[in-house]
Amino acid sequence: AQSVSQHNHHVILSEAASLELGCNYSYGGTVNLFWYVQYPGQHLQLLLKYFSGDPLVKGIKGFEAEFIKSKFSFNLRKPSVQWSDTAEYFCAVNVGYSSASKIIFGSGTRLSIRP
Amino acid sequence: GAVVSQHPSRVICKSGTSVKIECRSLDFQATTMFWYRQFPKQSLMLMATSNEGSKATYEQGVEKDKFLINHASLTLSTLTVTSAHPEDSSFYICSATTGAVNTEAFFGQGTRLTVV
Repeated sequence: AQSVSQHNHHVILSEAASLELGCNYSYGGTVNLFWYVQYPGQHLQLLLKYFSGDPLVKGIKGFEAEFIKSKFSFNLRKPSVQWSDTAEYFCAVNVGYSSASKIIFGSGTRLSIRP
Repeated sequence: GAVVSQHPSRVICKSGTSVKIECRSLDFQATTMFWYRQFPKQSLMLMATSNEGSKATYEQGVEKDKFLINHASLTLSTLTVTSAHPEDSSFYICSATTGAVNTEAFFGQGTRLTVV
């Protein structure tokens, strides 16, 4: 069965530190990849997405992610985090070409930023 | 991005009653809608996938008679929690998509259900 793994459950960083959140998926076919963010008390927002082309994708708020097909990974990065980045981050995989294919979410990573 | 609206945002109901949650795509036609459940501090668990005009496809372990899903139009899907019990208390989230290639699904703001 398809699955998405986020190995970091809770990450604590100081402001201005660099961030990398891991995401691995298990599926051998075509996938679309996403990172979503959920700020406290708010709904999911799309940070970035990968469908095809350049494996390094840039999203909102200075986030980027790199798709490494050989490693089945789509890690999220940000060079310098801010206190406002405190949130829950979810990696998600859309199995198949169509957006009507189901989306599977990772377990999420809680990011806490110390001011 | 496209807008998906869920209603109500919060609902409290008595044990044994049923509650309906609506999910609307406001500015696009959603051929497919997904329903998720999110427990506190946990990820989103896909409950079912519904395609307009056909029966929903439920994930393993989700009771189809308890969580009734209707997707009667291209802009509206409903989730009815029947004979609710306290263990059904959760955050329910819908998402909607046109089903086109290389587009993402858009998420509603979620519904907090509390069964007392």
